[in-house]
Amino acid sequence: DAGITQSPRHKVTETGTPVTLRCHQTENHRYMYWYRQDPGHGLRLIHYSYGVKDTDKGEVSDGYSVSRSKTEDFLLTLESATSSQTSVYFCAISESYNYEQYFGPGTRLTVT
Amino acid sequence: TQLLEQSPQFLSIQEGENLTVYCNSSSVFSSLQWYRQEPGEGPVLLVTVVTGGEVKKLKRLTFQFGDARKDSSLHITAAQTGDTGLYLCAGRLLQGGSEKLVFGKGTKLTVNP
Repeated sequence: DAGITQSPRHKVTETGTPVTLRCHQTENHRYMYWYRQDPGHGLRLIHYSYGVKDTDKGEVSDGYSVSRSKTEDFLLTLESATSSQTSVYFCAISESYNYEQYFGPGTRLTVT
Repeated sequence: TQLLEQSPQFLSIQEGENLTVYCNSSSVFSSLQWYRQEPGEGPVLLVTVVTGGEVKKLKRLTFQFGDARKDSSLHITAAQTGDTGLYLCAGRLLQGGSEKLVFGKGTKLTVNP
């Protein structure tokens, strides 16, 4: 299995608070991605990274920011959490862009 | 507009039965991937198909990429309870000058003992 961990695995937070989710990989893959998975919508790309300090937006990036200061770490920040951001968040990595992705175990986030 | 349509959305069968799930689009993909996701876990890559008409086998699972690279199917022979999960297809395509990976919403398979 690809070495990808996510932390925390579960989090409950209140509306308006900042939240940061962490993804850590030990595979040295260039590309890293953040998705959210919701019933009826499937997996949707939030942001992705193609190298250290190189990031770009996905289809549902509003309300989210990311940072990648090291190859192995990709952080997702919700600056001011809203109830619509209650979801399961997955990090993924790949060697080639948009090809054969390996997913982390997910973080279940509840915003009350 | 959903670029990748998966069908059926839900499928419940008995152990030992055969089944086929489908992934369809009007778009042409450069490659297509299949993933399986179990409850509480992330999707796990099963296979990637690249060439139109390509067939790949993974034990009891057979994957086929359509000749026109617009659709794909997954056939499971003699299903087992361990095959239970959400099956996702994901296609890589060029759209609006940029490349993207689009996921279907999945087929939720339940194999009953």
